[in-house]
Formats: sequence, structure tokens, C-alpha cells
Amino acid sequence: KAGVTQTPRYLIKTRGQQVTLSCSPISGHRSVSWYQQTPGQGLQFLFEYFSETQRNKGNFPGRFSGRQFSNSRSEMNVSTLELGDSALYLCASSWDSGNTIYFGEGSWLTVV
Amino acid sequence: AQTVTQSQPEMSVQEAETVTLSCTYDTSESDYYLFWYKQPPSRQMILVIRQEAYKQQNATENRFSVNFQKAAKSFSLKISDSQLGDAAMYFCAYRSIIQGAQKLVFGQGTRLTINP
Repeated sequence: KAGVTQTPRYLIKTRGQQVTLSCSPISGHRSVSWYQQTPGQGLQFLFEYFSETQRNKGNFPGRFSGRQFSNSRSEMNVSTLELGDSALYLCASSWDSGNTIYFGEGSWLTVV
Repeated sequence: AQTVTQSQPEMSVQEAETVTLSCTYDTSESDYYLFWYKQPPSRQMILVIRQEAYKQQNATENRFSVNFQKAAKSFSLKISDSQLGDAAMYFCAYRSIIQGAQKLVFGQGTRLTINP
């Protein structure tokens, strides 16, 4: 059974640009959540999608957005990139509440 | 809001020895889930062990076990017979049992070094 797959794994963007990250959950999983990991702030929850609806949202500015498609694949978008957005972005999936959450390998974003 | 605290930024242990990583949390909920995740240099978060708060019995997974003290809001991880492959960042995490609450609240992590 394939795990959570994230693309791209590494990318470099310029300040002011936008970026889209993709996540394919484990087959059958309907919940997809996103986390940002930085040395200073640690692991922070961005948002969670379930059946194409955003169910939970963390404390991030509106520049961070996401969506989920009918096949449960998810994308997150960051507009008007800032240097502080440089981070490892982790996607996680689970079947639903009460089930174990599994993580992908992450997408490394560097903003220069 | 729930918080998770890991008071040991770094720990080290000799190979084959036992080490315990500490975690405390704060919540007003009576039922919830607690997890330990391992993050090796590859940076993928790997589930180590899971504990449901309503279960009094401490969870065990091979060489990994927890000491869950609900009243004290403490959730420590014990690694027995430490192996070189156990070297990683370890994160304690909390998740609400409320339907639809998939959000994990993480501690700051403990970097575990295994000395050969």
C-alpha cells in the first residue's frame, strides 16, 4: 500500500511569487491535513480537509490556502511568498477521526 | 487550547541501554489521543506509538512503551535496548477525540543520539 506522496520534494521560489504543493493521501483515506515545520516555530497545523471541505484551520494568514479534490488528493497554495515561509511542509492523511495519522516525506520550500 | 511540552531538547544514550523521553500536556478534555512520532534525518514523521486516554493500560510496541499518567497529564516514552537506528527527533503529539478534529498539537521535540 503506497504511503502519503508529496510533490515536489524540493523547490526554491523568489519572494513575492506563489507556490502550489501537492499531496496524494494513502488510498482510502479521506482526511488530509497540512503542517508547517520550521526551526523556530516547530510543527504547526495549517488546515485539514475532509471530503473536499475544509474542516479545521490553523492560525495562518490568508496567503495560505488549500483545497481537496474528489479523489482526496490535496493541494496547498501560498501566495506572495515571504522569506519566513521557508519551511518543510508536511502532508498527513487518515481515514477519519480516531484513526492514526500518517505523514508524507514533506516538501522543502526555500524562499529567496 | 491544548499544549504539549517536551522539556528535554536533547538526550543521549548508549547503544543497548534504555532511555526515557518526557512529555507533559495540558487539556480540559477527558478523552483524547496521544502519540509519539519519530523524525529521522529524512524528515518523514513515523508513528512510534499511540495511546487512547480512556485506556488505562500503557501502550507497547516492541521495544517502545509509554508511561501514561492521566491525572498528572504526563506521557513518557521508554525505548529499551536502544539501537543506532533509533537516533532521531522524537515528537510527542496530542489529538482531540472530538469528531472531525484531525489536528495534531506537537511538542518542540527531543533529539535522541545513540552512542555506539
